[in-house]
Amino acid sequence: EIVLTQSPATLSLSPGERATLSCRASQSVSSGYLAWYQQKPGQAPRLLIYNTSNRATDIPERFSGGGSGTDFTLTISRLEPEDFAVYYCQHFGGSPPVTFGQGTRLEIK
Amino acid sequence: QVQLQESGLGLVKPSETLSLTCSVSGDSISYYGWSWIRQPPGKGLEWIGDMFYIGETDYSPSLRSRVTISTDTSKNHVSLKLNSVTSADTAVYYCARFTSDPLPAFDIWGQGTKVTVSS
Repeated sequence: EIVLTQSPATLSLSPGERATLSCRASQSVSSGYLAWYQQKPGQAPRLLIYNTSNRATDIPERFSGGGSGTDFTLTISRLEPEDFAVYYCQHFGGSPPVTFGQGTRLEIK
Repeated sequence: QVQLQESGLGLVKPSETLSLTCSVSGDSISYYGWSWIRQPPGKGLEWIGDMFYIGETDYSPSLRSRVTISTDTSKNHVSLKLNSVTSADTAVYYCARFTSDPLPAFDIWGQGTKVTVSS
């Protein structure tokens, strides 16, 4: 079973700062099957990144993804007020075929 | 514009069956895969299962014995049934479109529907 561990659990930053969120897999995974989602309170998750580094439709350029093997990152280059939310990494493949990380809460400092 | 809308009873008694429907508008469900994902109060996301456009299903090992996902192409609906529910099944339930073109992702989500299991 592939387990995704996100860190930190909570990240406190100010608007304008750079955010780096980590997602570590318990075993090497295909980068083509790693995605990131953003969830704001009371809303459904929204796809941000697929294939480790491809932005989904209408996602601003300040969001970028990277990594390979077991270590993946989501970077927000310059935080906007609307970016404070919970972020989940997610993997397709293995057993179970879909796995989510436990989430990182990005909060305003 | 593709939209998903979940519906169903918001309160289910323990040991009974949870039944939800995801109504899809803006495209045919025949062209994609469809998933159910849930989120217990204050917790993270849990994948329940998928119905692929080729008619295959796949379920979370922890729920496989209790869950059924099906589609009705005439109504453009995706359905979820979860039987023998307990309070641990209390959650917001989301349906999501699964796409693999060009690479896999859940690219469109419904707004979610809250289900409480309580007598």
